[in-house]
Amino acid sequence: ETGVTQTPRHLVMGMTNKKSLKCEQHLGHNAMYWYKQSAKKPLELMFVYNFKEQTENNSVPSRFSPECPNSSHLFLHLHTLQPEDSALYLCASSQDWLVGGNQPQHFGDGTRLSIL
Amino acid sequence: SQKIEQNSEALNIQEGKTATLTCNYTNYSPAYLQWYRQDPGRGPVFLLLIRENEKEKRKERLKVTFDTTLKQSLFHITASQPADSATYLCALGNNKLIFGAGTRLAVHP
Repeated sequence: ETGVTQTPRHLVMGMTNKKSLKCEQHLGHNAMYWYKQSAKKPLELMFVYNFKEQTENNSVPSRFSPECPNSSHLFLHLHTLQPEDSALYLCASSQDWLVGGNQPQHFGDGTRLSIL
Repeated sequence: SQKIEQNSEALNIQEGKTATLTCNYTNYSPAYLQWYRQDPGRGPVFLLLIRENEKEKRKERLKVTFDTTLKQSLFHITASQPADSATYLCALGNNKLIFGAGTRLAVHP
């Protein structure tokens, strides 16, 4: 139990579907992250939220839309995805963003997304 | 651009030996370096953090070094066990972390 829960664990969707990924952390952290992990490639940072405010958008296509209603919950809304978007999507949290490199990040087990 | 290199080939070692994994980086001056373990189908799990002014950090059978001149970190697992088999990721950063692609370690009985 890492303290970060992601649902669903697996998701298969067509390119025209709309779906959402959910992340919840029970660690009292203030920063939350979305990463994309493709096979044999490094984790790619997508979005960062600190105290519910988006602080980083790593040139992510608009078909990915994040939402952070409070410091414990993070969503990733998906719409009109492409086959190359198939990957493992990981959520993480840390105590704070400003010195994020000085703190461990706690990851969920991810959502395995497959686009048909 | 910033680049982090970890050996893409799997490291195979015999149980009881010391495993040494390498993380090299270029075009970057990170203040912090972290190592994570990732098992298949799971998210990464934090192992160790080392700061730029620290040469070495230890935790149980794990040891990490950080050489800012060579721009390299070495990650050692002593007395390795089959349960240590996993992919190990290094990550560098100041505020955000940049991850390497990881090295898969296989410890054979």
